Amino acid sequence: DGGITQSPKYLFRKEGQNVTLSCEQNLNHDAMYWYRQDPGQGLRLIYYSQIVNDFQKGDIAEGYSVSREKKESFPLTVTSAQKNPTAFYLCASSLAGGPVPFFGPGTRLTVL
Amino acid sequence: SQQGEEDPQALSIQEGENATMNCSYKTSINNLQWYRQNSGRGLVHLILIRSNEREKHSGRLRVTLDTSKKSSSLLITASRAADTASYFCATDAQGNTPLVFGKGTRLSVIA
Repeated sequence: DGGITQSPKYLFRKEGQNVTLSCEQNLNHDAMYWYRQDPGQGLRLIYYSQIVNDFQKGDIAEGYSVSREKKESFPLTVTSAQKNPTAFYLCASSLAGGPVPFFGPGTRLTVL
Repeated sequence: SQQGEEDPQALSIQEGENATMNCSYKTSINNLQWYRQNSGRGLVHLILIRSNEREKHSGRLRVTLDTSKKSSSLLITASRAADTASYFCATDAQGNTPLVFGKGTRLSVIA
């Protein structure tokens, strides 16, 4: 089955620790995206990548970093510089120029 | 910056009634899309309407787009308890830009 895998589903970390969220897709999509969702809020764009080895900042990139070494993988690192990292993180992918991204199931990060 | 704003923020209706949600946006768009999100889950794409379209149907869903007013509406007819979810509109502009989402409408359908 084709789709997007995000792991883990729930993640707990201590304040001050960096943490990396995994996102893998086997849809052969060129573009991948990371969004953050806070309770009762919509999605805000963190980073996106339209081709391998290239990515752009979204609206709330501060305190986050990404890499795109492989077409199928787009990991997100939440660094200690992110002031309020507790949130629900959603990864998505789409065909190049395709308007409809396919979303993964999300990772809920809680920083204690 | 968030492009779309949904209205109302929350909506509660009885099963069998119709549910209407509205979305307003600020700048010119290429497409407008509606997504559904069940609690704690990922987003599911419902329908896409292009800027040159005015109305689109998919099953019990009807979407309208008024580019002169920069607004869209999503109508769910004959609602079911399973329609209980949050609904988001999302827009993209010309030039292959990422989707920008609104804050969503929380729909509760009471059996």
